[in-house]
Amino acid sequence: AQSVAQPEDQVNVAEGNPLTVKCTYSVSGNPYLFWYVQYPNRGLQFLLKYITGDNLVKGSYGFEAEFNKSQTSFHLKKPSALVSDSALYFCAVRDVESGAGSYQLTFGKGTKLSVIP
Amino acid sequence: DTEVTQTPKHLVMGMTNKKSLKCEQHMGHRAMYWYKQKAKKPPELMFVYSYEKLSINESVPSRFSPECPNSSLLNLHLHALQPEDSALYLCASSPRGREYSNQPQHFGDGTRLSIL
Repeated sequence: AQSVAQPEDQVNVAEGNPLTVKCTYSVSGNPYLFWYVQYPNRGLQFLLKYITGDNLVKGSYGFEAEFNKSQTSFHLKKPSALVSDSALYFCAVRDVESGAGSYQLTFGKGTKLSVIP
Repeated sequence: DTEVTQTPKHLVMGMTNKKSLKCEQHMGHRAMYWYKQKAKKPPELMFVYSYEKLSINESVPSRFSPECPNSSLLNLHLHALQPEDSALYLCASSPRGREYSNQPQHFGDGTRLSIL
């Protein structure tokens, strides 16, 4: 079984400050990890993914995420937050070893990010 | 702009109506998905089609009936829905095949469904 935890329902950050949205995961094998963003009245938009290799992954719109295997974490970060980054963020995991169902994603509950001007 | 197109964007229907949601992608993806999303919650998987065949049904009530007429199209037929079925219905697609299992799913903007 695979699972994702996003411990914060909401994160507030001032514009220009660095932001972090937390994610921890549990899989029986190795993980593929994804971050998605959802703006109001829109679908989920892919930001970045970790599959293997470098633990620091860079993605769209200046976002990056750090994979930490020992802490089973994949926190989303951005050095300087913009008001336009305000949205709902979802972390998702897929177990590499899950075989025929390997294309299924397990999502975290989501974190609402509010960037204050 | 999203590469997965869903129509209609909004749908209001009575509990006795029959309607259909449509999803289309032209990325050559051979896995397509229907999700249901309630406000401020993560998407819940409903159905998965793999190579145009129903692969996964997550115990969805029979008032929801999926159909995959070809590799680009996915429909969700609705009949006798309940008020609790009001939600955002999202379609997604991804490449199929083990070598593509590290690829993300691509989502449409959804259909906002309201049941009166």
